[in-house]
Amino acid sequence: QVQLVQSGAEVKKPGASVKVSCKASGYTFTNYFMHWVRQAPGQGLEWMGIINPRGDSTSYAQKFQGRVTMTRDTSTSTVYMELSSLRSEDAAVYFCARDTYDSSGYFVHWGQGTLVTVSS
Amino acid sequence: DIQMTQSPSSLSASVGDRVTITCRASHSISTHLNWYQQKPGKAPKLLIYAASSLQSGVPSRFSGSGSGTDFTLTISRLEPEDFAVYYCQQYGFSPFGQGTKVEIK
Repeated sequence: QVQLVQSGAEVKKPGASVKVSCKASGYTFTNYFMHWVRQAPGQGLEWMGIINPRGDSTSYAQKFQGRVTMTRDTSTSTVYMELSSLRSEDAAVYFCARDTYDSSGYFVHWGQGTLVTVSS
Repeated sequence: DIQMTQSPSSLSASVGDRVTITCRASHSISTHLNWYQQKPGKAPKLLIYAASSLQSGVPSRFSGSGSGTDFTLTISRLEPEDFAVYYCQQYGFSPFGQGTKVEIK
């Protein structure tokens, strides 16, 4: 069965970077785009960007351009999301979510979420 | 960028009620609209894709309709497990709606 297992909670200081991982299993890793979505405490869902694990191409939401980097490691079927220059408003739960086979843009499979706390 | 506006932002309803949530896109998006349900501390769950297609395993009391700019999610008879927050989203590369919290009356 499809599983997306994310790395554990992080505590970072303002100005630092955080790198969250999402390890995929149960399917052919390179056949499905992966998205990242975040959710600040008590707030809604915010789409951050997408990576194509086959060719490593990415597309980021304009809000995060210049601060986010999404990468993948095909040898371990893992995608990564790194967010730099952290500020207090980046405190959130970060989710990875797998696209459909034909990249239709809806998400059946999600990671469990990674809580990122930003505090001095 | 296309913006998604949901209404209401919250509603109170009783078990057995019919509930309708609307989502409006700032530009036409054909039927490229998904609906998710989220419970506290959990990842979102896909309910409806392509505006009206029921995701496998989702109860038939959930339905979606609409095209162009106006969409609805309907829960025909609210069950206790349906109290949650619901989000619309245009396909993939796009923002989500701000969410609708369905609370117990």
